[in-house]
Amino acid sequence: DTGVSQDPRHKITKRGQNVTFRCDPISEHNRLYWYRQTLGQGPEFLTYFQNEAQLEKSRLLSDRFSAERPKGSFSTLEIQRTEQGDSAMYLCASSSPTGELFFGEGSRLTVL
Amino acid sequence: AQKVTQAQTEISVVEKEDVTLDCVYETRDTTYYLFWYKQPPSGELVFLIRRNSFDEQNEISGRYSWNFQKSTSSFNFTITASQVVDSAVYFCALSEAYQGAQKLVFGQGTRLTINP
Repeated sequence: DTGVSQDPRHKITKRGQNVTFRCDPISEHNRLYWYRQTLGQGPEFLTYFQNEAQLEKSRLLSDRFSAERPKGSFSTLEIQRTEQGDSAMYLCASSSPTGELFFGEGSRLTVL
Repeated sequence: AQKVTQAQTEISVVEKEDVTLDCVYETRDTTYYLFWYKQPPSGELVFLIRRNSFDEQNEISGRYSWNFQKSTSSFNFTITASQVVDSAVYFCALSEAYQGAQKLVFGQGTRLTINP
């Protein structure tokens, strides 16, 4: 399967702990996105990379969140000092410059 | 600001019925894109269609059809002869026509249940 893959699929953590999610995009896609989806809502844009450069960040991305895409391949999204409000599905997507967004199956975070 | 409204939170129909999912959008841009995505229980968003704001032609793809009306800012999605496999949450989304990020603004989604 050559789609977007995310790991882990599920993460349960205690409040205050740090968590990291990984996204492997479709190999020929140079654009990578992170979205967040809370229960019963549509996804919300968090941040965007073109190759290794992080070009845009949403105001939703507080300073406890950091995303990286070293070498323009896979990306990581780290949440420090997690809060219960961080509980959500974190979706990664990738695209070519003019193509559609292809989404992964998401990483579900539960903060206790 | 851009906004997408899907007023129907949940729809339940019997298999083989036709069903229409409504989508109304707001934007100040004259050039923009509209999308529909399907989210099955596995969680992965599956792309269904993209339309740009200059193309108001209706589109048909198998049992799926889309009706884009700029005059009413609507982009409705119809499934003809629905099947149980169509059960999912469907999202309508909007993005500005920008060479950079495809920052999609999603509606809240419509949960569609097709009963056998």
